[in-house]
Amino acid sequence: AQSVAQPEDQVNVAEGNPLTVKCTYSVSGNPYLFWYVQYPNRGLQFLLKYITGDNLVKGSYGFEAEFNKSQTSFHLKKPSALVSDSALYFCAVRDKIENSGYALNFGKGTSLLVTP
Amino acid sequence: GAGVSQSPSNKVTEKGKDVELRCDPISGHTALYWYRQSLGQGLEFLIYFQGNSAPDKSGLPSDRFSAERTGGSVSTLTIQRTQQEDSAVYLCASSLARTLIYEQYFGPGTRLTVT
Repeated sequence: AQSVAQPEDQVNVAEGNPLTVKCTYSVSGNPYLFWYVQYPNRGLQFLLKYITGDNLVKGSYGFEAEFNKSQTSFHLKKPSALVSDSALYFCAVRDKIENSGYALNFGKGTSLLVTP
Repeated sequence: GAGVSQSPSNKVTEKGKDVELRCDPISGHTALYWYRQSLGQGLEFLIYFQGNSAPDKSGLPSDRFSAERTGGSVSTLTIQRTQQEDSAVYLCASSLARTLIYEQYFGPGTRLTVT
């Protein structure tokens, strides 16, 4: 099965500083990778995805992620963090399921806290 | 436009009772998914529907769980004889295509508490 790992349970960063939320993947073949964000008591919101093409993917709210095949990583980044970015972030990979379909296999999530 | 909606938003039930959770996907989305989010297990895939086809049940944790999708649209997840370990947030998602070239859109979830 395809899988992703988020090595950090929590990331703390000061407002205005750059942030990085780490994700590594383990797949056979070419991965479809996603980042989602979850605000308190809300569902998951899509941020960005990598399917093919440029290794640097730009997404919502000023976030971007870099696909690195040699390091099997897909880290989420933002040049200047905002307090409102504080949330739970999930990395996910497309995984084959039965009946020729696909579902997302999620990492454990990383809690991002941005302090003023 | 309208997103994925789920009802109820919260459900408290006694152990042993049956519950039904409802999902209304985005219009035109043929693929529909149920996931479960719990503290111990993170986000787990439960079941997948593609249009009117028979669902992929490979993620269901036990035979107490079942789901149906009527008319290729609204879906109901049923948990029979609920147990305390069923307490979790149940998330529904829909997508334009089963290949997931397009992202999944998630509903706000139903928080289930089994007492």
